[in-house]
Amino acid sequence: AQRVTQPEKLLSVFKGAPVELKCNYSYSGSPELFWYVQYSRQRLQLLLRHISRESIKGFTADLNKGETSFHLKKPFAQEEDSAMYYCALVSSNTGKLIFGQGTTLQVKP
Amino acid sequence: DAGVTQSPTHLIKTRGQQVTLRCSPKSGHDTVSWYQQALGQGPQFIFQYYEEEERQRGNFPDRFSGHQFPNYSSELNVNALLLGDSALYLCASSSQGREGYTFGSGTRLTVV
Repeated sequence: AQRVTQPEKLLSVFKGAPVELKCNYSYSGSPELFWYVQYSRQRLQLLLRHISRESIKGFTADLNKGETSFHLKKPFAQEEDSAMYYCALVSSNTGKLIFGQGTTLQVKP
Repeated sequence: DAGVTQSPTHLIKTRGQQVTLRCSPKSGHDTVSWYQQALGQGPQFIFQYYEEEERQRGNFPDRFSGHQFPNYSSELNVNALLLGDSALYLCASSSQGREGYTFGSGTRLTVV
């Protein structure tokens, strides 16, 4: 079964601390993985795609096929990073986007 | 580019009624997917439309149906509303799934 698991509902860190939001997936084949972010009162927006291997707003994510993980990292958290983060995968066969439950990141001053 | 637009933004309906939600995809996108997001949960896939046909369907009953028009816009219809249908309904568009999906702001449906 295709599944995305985000084990932490809430992650609270202080400003300037490193951040790692965990994401594990279950998928037979080569998935395409994404991180989406939803800031307060804003729409869901794409943060990262694993294919592009880029860094957005200081965040990076590396696909680890051996551990079936796609953790989101940032070396120094900022208060404006506080938001809900969703990990998602797209089935290459169906084009269906499957989301994890989401992790709320709270960056304290 | 207005991106993905959804209407209405909020809606209150009574149990047993029917509702229609609308979505206009981002310019250049031809695929529309609908999601249900309950409070505190991740979005759950309802179905996807491409070339005016339902291509994929999630684990939702037949009370949930949809349509895609020639201009790629889409409607989500829910019949015989239940209290449990109260949620944020999100529309997402893409170009056949490539380059990720762009989401609308959603329609907040409350069933009383």
